[in-house]
Amino acid sequence: DSGVTQTPKHLITATGQRVTLRCSPRSGDLSVYWYQQSLDQGLQFLIQYYNGEERAKGNILERFSAQQFPDLHSELNLSSLELGDSALYFCASSVDKGLEQFFGPGTRLTVL
Amino acid sequence: GQQVMQIPQYQHVQEGEDFTTYCNSSTTLSNIQWYKQRPGGHPVFLIQLVKSGEVKKQKRLTFQFGEAKKNSSLHITATQTTDVGTYFCAGPRLMYTGKLIFGQGTTLQVKP
Repeated sequence: DSGVTQTPKHLITATGQRVTLRCSPRSGDLSVYWYQQSLDQGLQFLIQYYNGEERAKGNILERFSAQQFPDLHSELNLSSLELGDSALYFCASSVDKGLEQFFGPGTRLTVL
Repeated sequence: GQQVMQIPQYQHVQEGEDFTTYCNSSTTLSNIQWYKQRPGGHPVFLIQLVKSGEVKKQKRLTFQFGEAKKNSSLHITATQTTDVGTYFCAGPRLMYTGKLIFGQGTTLQVKP
């Protein structure tokens, strides 16, 4: 158990819908990262927050957005969902930038 | 853009045989991290290498960071069925963020 929690574990939804994925980092970790893992794309970095502020952005689509709240939990919002958005979404946290990242169990999103 | 390449993509070995995966970056890295993901699981941090030419060992696992800090390798001696999984290397995209660029991973299968 990494100490990072993610909800929900599984999510099945239809194209065009909007979903919110939630992540609680390890106690004391200020950085939260979101990754997308699909079979043909590997682990793709989406976005990083540090103590409530956006720190780095990856290949995150405009349909996706995220935020980190004052209690340090983070949410990833995915809207206008397409079939290709089906993937595992991982959240990770670290004490600070550049240090080892602890991954949550992931949310498996299936878009039908 | 910066790329991190890993070879091979897949490796099947007989239990007891050795295994090596190689990681190459298109740019010099300030450090490199290695993660292991078991089937159905999430990535778990194994180690971080920082210094040029650094070699670190964890039991049967040996990690090396190249002199030019552009390549790295993970060698497993006498594989066991518990070594099954996908091994990822990851390097920071920017030194002052935690944004990691992951290699595509090497999936190891071990036949008992």
